[in-house]
Amino acid sequence: QVQLVQSGAEVKKPGASVKVSCKASGYTFTSYGISWVRQAPGQGLEWMGWISAYNGNTNYAQKLQGRVTMTTDTSTSTAYMELRSLRSDDTAVYYCARGGKMGISDPWGQGTLVTVSS
Amino acid sequence: DIQMTQSPSSLSASVGDRVTITCRASQGIRNDLGWYQQKPGKAPKRLIYAASNLQSGVPSRFSGSGSGTEFTLTISSLQPEDFATYYCLQHNSYPLTFGGGTKVEIK
Repeated sequence: QVQLVQSGAEVKKPGASVKVSCKASGYTFTSYGISWVRQAPGQGLEWMGWISAYNGNTNYAQKLQGRVTMTTDTSTSTAYMELRSLRSDDTAVYYCARGGKMGISDPWGQGTLVTVSS
Repeated sequence: DIQMTQSPSSLSASVGDRVTITCRASQGIRNDLGWYQQKPGKAPKRLIYAASNLQSGVPSRFSGSGSGTEFTLTISSLQPEDFATYYCLQHNSYPLTFGGGTKVEIK
């Protein structure tokens, strides 16, 4: 079955970087893009960006441009999301999910809590 | 960017009630809309795709309608397991945007 398994929780200091991984299984990795979505504590869902697993094309949310980089490793069917210059308001659960402009389908990754605190 | 205005932001309802949630897009998005259910501590789960198509395995009490700028998610008879937060997502154009969410609580 289709599965997306994310890396574990992270605690970072302001100004640091974090890289979250999302390992896909159960489907042909290069046939679908991966979106990243985050959710701050008690808040709604925020789409961060998308990467094509086929050719690496990306589309990022304007507010994160310059701080976020999404990549994939097709040899391991893994997608990565790196966020730099972390601030306290980056504290959130980060999800990967299959899809983008054709819709975001199930399942999603289990989520990775990133806590930014001094 | 396309703004998705979801209403209400919360509602209280009883088991067996009919519940309707609305999303309005700031510009036409055809039927490029999905509805998601999220329970505390869990990842969202898609209920409806392409505005009105029921995701496989989702109970038939859930339905979606609309096209263009106005969309509705209806739960025909609310069940205990339906108490959750619901989100719409437009995927017509980047950036993808979510509605603000509707928390469905027990009356």
